[in-house]
Amino acid sequence: SQTIHQWPATLVQPVGSPLSLECTVEGTSNPNLYWYRQAAGRGLQLLFYSVGIGQISSEVPQNLSASRPQDRQFILSSKKLLLSDSGFYLCAWRDSPNQPQHFGDGTRLSIL
Amino acid sequence: AQKVTQAQTEISVVEKEDVTLDCVYETRDTTYYLFWYKQPPSGELVFLIRRNSFDEQNEISGRYSWNFQKSTSSFNFTITASQVVDSAVYFCALTADYKLSFGAGTTVTVRA
Repeated sequence: SQTIHQWPATLVQPVGSPLSLECTVEGTSNPNLYWYRQAAGRGLQLLFYSVGIGQISSEVPQNLSASRPQDRQFILSSKKLLLSDSGFYLCAWRDSPNQPQHFGDGTRLSIL
Repeated sequence: AQKVTQAQTEISVVEKEDVTLDCVYETRDTTYYLFWYKQPPSGELVFLIRRNSFDEQNEISGRYSWNFQKSTSSFNFTITASQVVDSAVYFCALTADYKLSFGAGTTVTVRA
């Protein structure tokens, strides 16, 4: 069966520090991969998605970036975090458009 | 462009009451898929149901039921005899391609 792992679960970072969140999927190949952000009490905002290795589509211009160095690995990064980057970050995968997205447990990021 | 509207921000009910969550969508695609997700206080998103645009048959799963009406572009979700464990944020979502468009979510609080 397929599983998705996302880490860390919580992270507290100072303003201006770098960021690296990692997500890996097991049990499938060539999945569509996604990064979302959810501000407190708000809906989900799509940040990036990838349909293949090295293919990244950005939905929201900001100081975040994403990379997909391997088929089932999706990384969210920042060189310098802002206070506004605080939130709950969720990684998701799916096999095809007619299948549901399956989500990781999320990372709660607090910027101080 | 795709859009999902969940007009109800919060719903509060007493245990054993029924609760219906509204979802209205917009899309120009003739083939699309609709989903409902549950986000309990712990934060993870749990997939509940998928429905494709050609299948208007309503579905019942235990205390959950879904009413898909293409004529009104609605995909409503009813929880029958609600329980405290049903307290969560519920998201309706739509996809016709690589991206999933989420509604803003409805927070359901079930009081004992």
